[in-house]
Amino acid sequence: NAGVTQTPKFQVLKTGQSMTLQCAQDMNHNSMYWYRQDPGMGLRLIYYSASEGTTDKGEVPNGYNVSRLNKREFSLRLESAAPSQTSVYFCASSDITRDVYNEQFFGPGTRLTVL
Amino acid sequence: AQSVSQHNHHVILSEAASLELGCNYSYGGTVNLFWYVQYPGQHLQLLLKYFSGDPLVKGIKGFEAEFIKSKFSFNLRKPSVQWSDTAEYFCAVNARLGNDYKLSFGAGTTVTVRA
Repeated sequence: NAGVTQTPKFQVLKTGQSMTLQCAQDMNHNSMYWYRQDPGMGLRLIYYSASEGTTDKGEVPNGYNVSRLNKREFSLRLESAAPSQTSVYFCASSDITRDVYNEQFFGPGTRLTVL
Repeated sequence: AQSVSQHNHHVILSEAASLELGCNYSYGGTVNLFWYVQYPGQHLQLLLKYFSGDPLVKGIKGFEAEFIKSKFSFNLRKPSVQWSDTAEYFCAVNARLGNDYKLSFGAGTTVTVRA
């Protein structure tokens, strides 16, 4: 199993450009998440998808959109990149069994720089 | 709002020293607690987790954490660190809010172990 994979690993954009970050998991998890990691701020949730066909805003959704393409794939789109979106982006997945929340499994991250 | 506080931003210590990282959370209901580690250049990995039962939880690589409900704390400990423990450590708290689960991360503690 590859776990959670993300592409690309690195990306440099100019202000105003758009791009899509891809994420896929092969663990048959229902839930998928997108976080951004900034120094001194830990991980902040951008969007999540509790199950295929549903998406919800997290803590910092402004400037982003997501698509849960199928159970495996969850993409994050920046329509018009801004320097404030320079960050490391992590995708994660998890499963929820009855009332037990299982830990999240993280991808390797995408380091995005917006000039 | 639910929040997670990690007391130390950066800890520097020598090999064989003992390590304790503090974590406090603000949510008063039933919680699941996690410690994640991020080694340089790598993605987040689960160190240990607490769902219920014995409040002293043992994880990988000799780490343990103690859940003290009355203090809303989940401190991470290791009796004798190694150079390879140099990493960033994140405390995370998951709580059920209505029909959803929300996972909140602390800001992280960078641990540098000197040989």
